[in-house]
Amino acid sequence: AQTVTQSQPEMSVQEAETVTLSCTYDTSESNYYLFWYKQPPSRQMILVIRQEAYKQQNATENRFSVNFQKAAKSFSLKISDSQLGDTAMYFCAFMKYNNNDMRFGAGTRLTVKP
Amino acid sequence: ETGVTQSPTHLIKTRGQQVTLRCSSQSGHNTVSWYQQALGQGPQFIFQYYREEENGRGNFPPRFSGLQFPNYSSELNVNALELDDSALYLCASSLTGDYGYTFGSGTRLTVV
Repeated sequence: AQTVTQSQPEMSVQEAETVTLSCTYDTSESNYYLFWYKQPPSRQMILVIRQEAYKQQNATENRFSVNFQKAAKSFSLKISDSQLGDTAMYFCAFMKYNNNDMRFGAGTRLTVKP
Repeated sequence: ETGVTQSPTHLIKTRGQQVTLRCSSQSGHNTVSWYQQALGQGPQFIFQYYREEENGRGNFPPRFSGLQFPNYSSELNVNALELDDSALYLCASSLTGDYGYTFGSGTRLTVV
C-alpha cells in the first residue's frame, strides 16, 4: 500500500523568507503523480503544484517549486518570498498512474509571520 | 466556470441516524471522489464515481454509500451514524485525476 509521510506537523516562516516542507512516500510503482495541496481556514483544498514521476525536471509554479527525488521517494515543497496568504495546512498527496485513489499525508500547518 | 459546491456546509446529527451530503461537480468534470477528513488529519478516500458507476472504494464500511446522477452531481449517504463519523467530508471532481482534483469546501458533520 502507498503511504505518504509529512514529518513536520507545524512550521513557521517570516514574511518574504523561504520555507521548505518535507514529504516522503512509499510505493513500488514506477509511474505515479505527486501533488501539493493547500487548505486555508476556508477548508477548500487548492492544488498548488503537480509532478509526474517520469519527468525528472522539478515542477515550478511561480513562488512554489518542488525538489523531487525519485530514488529517495522524497517530494519537498519550497515556497519562496512567503506571503501572509500562504498561511494554511499543506498536504502532500500521491496517486498511482491510472488509479483513482489519491493518498494524502497528515499535513503541515504553515504560519507566515509578519 | 463554476467550481465544486457542497451542501450543507454544517450538519449535526444524532448517533444512529442517517445523513445525505450533496455535491455538484465542476462544469465538464465527469468524475467525483469523496473524502473524509477527521480533525487534524489528512483526507481519507471513501469512494469515487465515474459516469454514474462506482469506480473504486477505500477502506470504509458498506454503510457509506453513494450515487452519481446523469449531470455528474453526487450524493454521499451514511447510515447508522457513529460518533467517529464526525468529520469534514470533502467532494472533489475531475475530468482526469492525473491533473489533480478540484475540491469543494466540504460539509462539517458532527454526530452527537
